Parts: sequence; C-alpha cells; structure tokens
Amino acid sequence: DGGITQSPKYLFRKEGQNVTLSCEQNLNHDAMYWYRQDPGQGLRLIYYSQIVNDFQKGDIAEGYSVSREKKESFPLTVTSAQKNPTAFYLCASSIAWVEFMNTEAFFGQGTRLTVV
Amino acid sequence: DAKTTQPPSMDCAEGRAANLPCNHSTISGNEYVYWYRQIHSQGPQYIIHGLKNNETNEMASLIITEDRKSSTLILPHATLRDTAVYYCIVRVRGDYKLSFGAGTTVTVRA
Repeated sequence: DGGITQSPKYLFRKEGQNVTLSCEQNLNHDAMYWYRQDPGQGLRLIYYSQIVNDFQKGDIAEGYSVSREKKESFPLTVTSAQKNPTAFYLCASSIAWVEFMNTEAFFGQGTRLTVV
Repeated sequence: DAKTTQPPSMDCAEGRAANLPCNHSTISGNEYVYWYRQIHSQGPQYIIHGLKNNETNEMASLIITEDRKSSTLILPHATLRDTAVYYCIVRVRGDYKLSFGAGTTVTVRA
C-alpha cells in the first residue's frame, strides 16, 4: 500500500544527544514537511522540501536539521541545540503544488520523542 | 499567507450537524481553503478543500462565502468518532509552505 511511514513511534534520548527521525513515503510526492506538536497545541512547521536536494526553513527551524537526498526520504535531526526537544513530530508529503493546484497533504502517524 | 481564525472549541450532539466556522479575511483570490482534522495522537487527515464554490464529499461539506472571507465546514451527521481537532488552512499559490493554526477542538457528545 502507498503511504508515509515514520519510525520509530516512540523514541527516548538523553539530553545533549542528537537524534534522527525517519520519514519515508512511496507516494511519489515531491514535497515533504516536518511539524512539531506540543500537548494541547497545533502543528508548527519546522522544515519543508519542494524537491530533492532543496529544503526551506519553516517557522521553528532552530535546533533542527534536515536532508533531502532522495525523493522518498526526508529525515529530521533534532540536535542538542534544540532547547525543548520533547514533542510529537509529524511528517507529511504532497504532490508538487505548481502542477496540481489543489492537492492534499498526507501525514504519517508521528514519532513521540522524549528527552530525559 | 492569509491567516485563519477559528473558535478554540465547540460541542456537538451525536447525530446532529456540526458547523465549524473559519475566518480568513485577508485571503487572496488564488488561495484555496483546506480543512484537516486530527484525532488524538494521530497524524492529521485531509477532509476537503475549495476555492470559490461550495464543495461536498463523503466526509463533509464546505461552504465559502461569496466574498471568500469566511467558510464553514459542515459535518452532516456527527458521530463520536468525529471528535477531533479541526484545522482550517489557507494555501498560498506557488508556495509549498503549509502552516497550521490552533484549530477547533470539536467534542461530539452522545
């Protein structure tokens, strides 16, 4: 089945360690996104990528890094510079906006990161 | 991006229609209105989108005012499984950025 997969579902890390969250999609989508969600709050955009080897900062990019070496993969690294990394992280993908003006975004089931 | 304003929460009786308002007074002529919902601890799910005309699908109906400054998502027969946070989003043409606001927490009660 086509879809977007995030792994792992739960992740625990010690403070000061970098951690990489995986996001893979087999929908042949050009655009991919990373969001952060804190308890009781909406989604905040961290990074997004329109195409392979290109990505843009979202609203809260500080302390995070991404790469887009393959169309189907968009890993997110939470670095030690992120002051409050404990959160629910969501990845999404969509068809290229320019070619399809009215497309929806598909979301993964999320990774819950806890830093202790 | 045009910003959206939604009420923080609303209740609805099971089996009744749920009408979720959204204001987007600064929307541009070529921006679409999208609705998503997020059930607790899951990824958001697309519901519907529209530009000018009213839209309907198997999940909901979207009513956009003639001046496009506001819209209403209608869940025709709410069920307990419709309890979720509903997000109204305006998407900028030519820009991949997809930003979410705080949304409306809808609680369907038996």
